[in-house]
Amino acid sequence: DADVTQTPRNRITKTGKRIMLECSQTKGHDRMYWYRQDPGLGLRLIYYSFDVKDINKGEISDGYSVSRQAQAKFSLSLESAIPNQTALYFCATSDYMAGSTDTQYFGPGTRLTVL
Amino acid sequence: QKEVEQDPGPLSVPEGAIVSLNCTYSNSAFQYFMWYRQYSRKGPELLMYTYSSGNKEDGRFTAQVDKSSKYISLFIRDSQPSDSATYLCASRRGGSNYKLTFGKGTLLTVNP
Repeated sequence: DADVTQTPRNRITKTGKRIMLECSQTKGHDRMYWYRQDPGLGLRLIYYSFDVKDINKGEISDGYSVSRQAQAKFSLSLESAIPNQTALYFCATSDYMAGSTDTQYFGPGTRLTVL
Repeated sequence: QKEVEQDPGPLSVPEGAIVSLNCTYSNSAFQYFMWYRQYSRKGPELLMYTYSSGNKEDGRFTAQVDKSSKYISLFIRDSQPSDSATYLCASRRGGSNYKLTFGKGTLLTVNP
């Protein structure tokens, strides 16, 4: 089984709808991240969480919210979806140790289309 | 200006060619330098990492960091069609409070 799973894998929705993307991990990592990837813009960080009680905005958090329900679960919500939120969304985890690279492990992605 | 800049390409080479992928960064405090590889329709995966300046070799891949010029490179020798992917460079500062900063990625195609 995959260590980092994302559901759904594909989603088509309409403008104004509320959408939740879910991420679960079995790696036991404290840190979790949400990115979106767009052609020509690369990976952009939306939100990140260094532990269950810690939530931080990334570079493009407007229009998004997150919930860290447990160490293993980190959900991303679009309260009122708009077409320019059409993108590929990735969840990632990492397990920081002093002197380490804090390597991030990515899920398979969710392709979201907002019509 | 983003802290990590990467030419998005695309880059197309014949099989067997030597490939050079490059990034520049602006934050002098960066200490860890990584290359991630992303196949189509997949999430990125760590390929190699380097701490501070110097070279690191792993099979056909060599990662190189020149902190004096703030330049990050990945060389692929004897490139194969299976190397076709997007390559993302990433950097971070030392310490627990800092996260990775990614470049935009370079799309590489190795033609048989």
